[in-house]
Order: sequence, then structure tokens, then C-alpha cells
Amino acid sequence: EPEVTQTPSHQVTQMGQEVILRCVPISNHLYFYWYRQILGQKVEFLVSFYNNEISEKSEIFDDQFSVERPDGSNFTLKIRSTKLEDSAMYFCASSGGQGNSPLHFGNGTRLTVT
Amino acid sequence: DAKTTQPPSMDCAEGRAANLPCNHSTISGNEYVYWYRQIHSQGPQYIIHGLKNNETNEMASLIITEDRKSSTLILPHATLRDTAVYYCIVRVDLGYSTLTFGKGTMLLVSP
Repeated sequence: EPEVTQTPSHQVTQMGQEVILRCVPISNHLYFYWYRQILGQKVEFLVSFYNNEISEKSEIFDDQFSVERPDGSNFTLKIRSTKLEDSAMYFCASSGGQGNSPLHFGNGTRLTVT
Repeated sequence: DAKTTQPPSMDCAEGRAANLPCNHSTISGNEYVYWYRQIHSQGPQYIIHGLKNNETNEMASLIITEDRKSSTLILPHATLRDTAVYYCIVRVDLGYSTLTFGKGTMLLVSP
């Protein structure tokens, strides 16, 4: 069964550094998403992406964050200058695009900012 | 904020049916009911979704009340591997619409 894959599984970085989290969505999907989950807290929506532009973003998704689909298969989340509070699990998801097409999630990247 | 209410935790004996309730009294006509689960900080896993009819797949059954104000996810024969946090989410019927996760129900399946 096709799945969403994320790399790396764990990323450690120093405060102030830039990180890029990578995702390969399911191949025929049209909508792409990033979520995050701080340890012990709820899964939070960050951003959705369709047709090479952001469809919706949350208050968390400030100027430090950006997303890109650099080619036909990858979908990336960049954090320009990481803060301690960016430490979290980051989940990528994709959906087929029809109204009731479910989101399918990857297993996440654990980002640790020291 | 999440538009659903779920009990924070439930227990179930292995091999028995697990019935997880969810209230969504303010659901709109164009909103589907989705169920996901999350096993120990893995990515949320899609289980099932429905609009107003009952649904069944290889993982579970979804029973939606006639007024659509509540639903029940049924795992017919729970196993230890079904121990997870289960999320009931209402989602608008639009291609780009997102999921808003609440705290879910922690289901513990015991031997």
C-alpha cells in the first residue's frame, strides 16, 4: 500500500540553525500538509499546500517557516532559524484531493533543538 | 478548537469489541466524521470516515446516529496492538480542508 515517507526520522540541530524536513507524499495525491506535535500535546496543523501554493496556514506557521515542492515528488518544510520551542514531531500528510479523500500521514521527523 | 467530545480513556479486554463514542452535536451538513489513531507518537493512522450512513472496512465499523450528533467507532476484536489514542474529527467536504485534532481517547487493550 502506498505511504507517505519522511526523512530524516530524527534531526538534532542547534538553536538558530536552519533545518529542512523532507517528505515524499503518495504519488497521485494533490494536497499536502504539515502538522506538528510537541511532546505530550495535541497534533497541530501548520500548513496546507496545493498547486504550488499555500492553501491555508495556522498562526504557528510564521515567517520562520516555509514550504516547497521542489520537484514532482518531494515536499519540504524549512525552518529558517530554529528555536528551542520548535522541538517537536513534524508530520507530513497528503490527500487525493477529492472532498472526502482522507489525509494519510507519514511517521514523522523528530526535531530536537538544543 | 476540536468540535468533538470524546472520553479521555477507555479500557478493553483483548478479543472483545471496543466501542469508542464521540459527540459532535454541532456538526454541519457538509462535514464528514473521520477517525484516526496514533500509536505511541507514530503518525496518525487513518481508520474510517462517513457522512451519515454506517461504514465498515477491514479495520473497523463506524456507526453514525440518524441525527448525526454522535458516532461510535467499533473495533470488533481488539488486540494489544490496537492500544492507541483514537481521534474523532469532523472535516468539511472540501479538497483542501484540514483535520483539527483534539485530545482523543486513549484506548488500552489488556490481555
